[in-house]
Amino acid sequence: EIVLTQSPTTMAASPGEKVTITCRASSSVSYMHWFQQKSGTSPKPWIYDTSKLASGVPDRFSGSGSGTSYSLTISSMEAEDAATYYCLQRSSYPPTFGGGTKLELK
Amino acid sequence: EVQLVESGGGLVQPGRSLKLSCAASGFTYSNYVMAWVRQAPTKGLEWVASISTGGGNTYYRDSVKGRFTISRDNAKNTLYLQIDSLRSEDTATYYCAKDNPYYGYNYWGQGVMVTVSS
Repeated sequence: EIVLTQSPTTMAASPGEKVTITCRASSSVSYMHWFQQKSGTSPKPWIYDTSKLASGVPDRFSGSGSGTSYSLTISSMEAEDAATYYCLQRSSYPPTFGGGTKLELK
Repeated sequence: EVQLVESGGGLVQPGRSLKLSCAASGFTYSNYVMAWVRQAPTKGLEWVASISTGGGNTYYRDSVKGRFTISRDNAKNTLYLQIDSLRSEDTATYYCAKDNPYYGYNYWGQGVMVTVSS
């Protein structure tokens, strides 16, 4: 099973600040998906195929990476971005999620 | 509009069984792989099981093999998860999710809570 390790586990960012969340895989994967989850709600697809934004996702978000290292970046933090973000790999069975990164507004 | 509506959760004693359902609408259900993903209280997401379009192929995480059974009824547009021999570690919100080869899981239900406690 491929283990995904996200860092940081929690963080706080000020409005306008650049944010980077990292997801490291225990073995190489072909692509990474990202989900956003706000408290009490279902996860939403956010970034798919490593770098493609899901419908409705603001373009201040971006995704990048390859092999065992992937990242989600927010170019300028906004209040609505406060949430928990999860990475997901499906290159290898079973599908596995990262442990999540809780992003708070400072 | 795609909708996935789970039901069947509740408080159950350890060792008992429960069957979750997920009613799907707004898309051609029989054309899509479906999955269950769970989230223990204050914890992260965990894939549980997936089922092929026709139901002939099923996949499970190791920790639930032999206790969980995923199934589907394409005539009723409904996905199921039979959970037997419930354990305290099965306590979680269970989400039904529509599989998408590009997005991973592009639609999720609202989730149904399963609490295993005596």
